[in-house]
Amino acid sequence: DAKTTQPTSMDCAEGRAANLPCNHSTISGNEYVYWYRQIHSQGPQYIIHGLKNNETNEMASLIITEDRKSSTLILPHATLRDTAVYYCIVTNFGNEKLTFGTGTRLTIIP
Amino acid sequence: DAGVIQSPRHEVTEMGQEVTLRCKPISGHDYLFWYRQTMMRGLELLIYFNNNVPIDDSGMPEDRFSAKMPNASFSTLKIQPSEPRDSAVYFCASGRTGASETQYFGPGTRLLVL
Repeated sequence: DAKTTQPTSMDCAEGRAANLPCNHSTISGNEYVYWYRQIHSQGPQYIIHGLKNNETNEMASLIITEDRKSSTLILPHATLRDTAVYYCIVTNFGNEKLTFGTGTRLTIIP
Repeated sequence: DAGVIQSPRHEVTEMGQEVTLRCKPISGHDYLFWYRQTMMRGLELLIYFNNNVPIDDSGMPEDRFSAKMPNASFSTLKIQPSEPRDSAVYFCASGRTGASETQYFGPGTRLLVL
């Protein structure tokens, strides 16, 4: 699986869009980008995934650059409940396993 | 659906004792994963099952750890004998065939070995 690089921590004001970057410059053509988050004292929670097209669901949007070497997870209107560690994972579809890195600790500021 | 259910939620035991952690996956999910999370090592995959069969146990730290899945709705992770370095939060997750990277995690079992 391709290695990912994320900032260690970020702050975002409540009500603003939170943009979380992820660098995956060694991604291969059949690898997907997955995003999970872990709120304190809870299990990780799946957010969204994509291959090359931008994706949106009820939780977030995923923007993948055309060269696929980086992506951004967007939480459009951050709330205090979005404070969590966010993990960007790159893996082959069908690989079955996920390898979690250290993620980005996002703090939403009131 | 109730989601992935784990028990107990908290366990405190003494070194040398046997510990059994339990997991009930989401109904209809045929993948089950066991993870361990510590401050030092982060979230690590220990073992996973597909259709009740262990597929990859390369993450199991040593022979003191064992996992079973006797049926589609139940799995156990056993540590015998337990050691203080086993103290961690243990998560169980489940997923479906064709989307096993989309995993649904349980609330975890917080284990403290004294």
